[in-house]
Amino acid sequence: KNQVEQSPQSLIILEGKNCTLQCNYTVSPFSNLRWYKQDTGRGPVSLTIMTFSENTKSNGRYTATLDADTKQSSLHITASQLSDSASYICVVINTGGFKTIFGAGTRLFVKA
Amino acid sequence: DTGVSQNPRHKITKRGQNVTFRCDPISEHNRLYWYRQTLGQGPEFLTYFQNEAQLEKSRLLSDRFSAERPKGSFSTLEIQRTEQGDSAMYLCASSLATYQETQYFGPGTRLLVL
Repeated sequence: KNQVEQSPQSLIILEGKNCTLQCNYTVSPFSNLRWYKQDTGRGPVSLTIMTFSENTKSNGRYTATLDADTKQSSLHITASQLSDSASYICVVINTGGFKTIFGAGTRLFVKA
Repeated sequence: DTGVSQNPRHKITKRGQNVTFRCDPISEHNRLYWYRQTLGQGPEFLTYFQNEAQLEKSRLLSDRFSAERPKGSFSTLEIQRTEQGDSAMYLCASSLATYQETQYFGPGTRLLVL
């Protein structure tokens, strides 16, 4: 069964600290993996896209990694800001047709 | 603003009523998707169009749900005889059919069925 599991479910950190969010997937065959940021009451916004041949992709203070062998990805946020408070959703897309599987998200709270 | 827009942003209805939501995609995008999202969960795929053709429907899309994209531009999602379990955020996204296509999401329509 195609699944995307994210951990932790929620996370509280202090402003300025770093954090890492995890994503494990069983989607096969694999095409690409994306991380989205979703602010409360808004639609998700794409942060990074990686194919199976890419190990890392950065977007400002966001760095995503991918290990296609172990089917794991992480999103590292550096020097967190209050505006980083949001849900971070891992999305995996398979090949050979349309299948987009969303994780449940990690809810990040950044405190001053 | 040239992003994806959705109307209305909020809808409160009584059980048994019909509701219709509209999505206006980014103008040059040929793909349009509908998702449903409940609190604390990621979006769940409902259906998708390439131009005016509805190419895939999820099993989540019961007979009470219907979606159209008559001219390959805006789309509507109708829910008939709403039930309390239909309460959720309904998200629309659009994209260009390219390798590594990126879906751009609208702000969503939040539905509450009383």
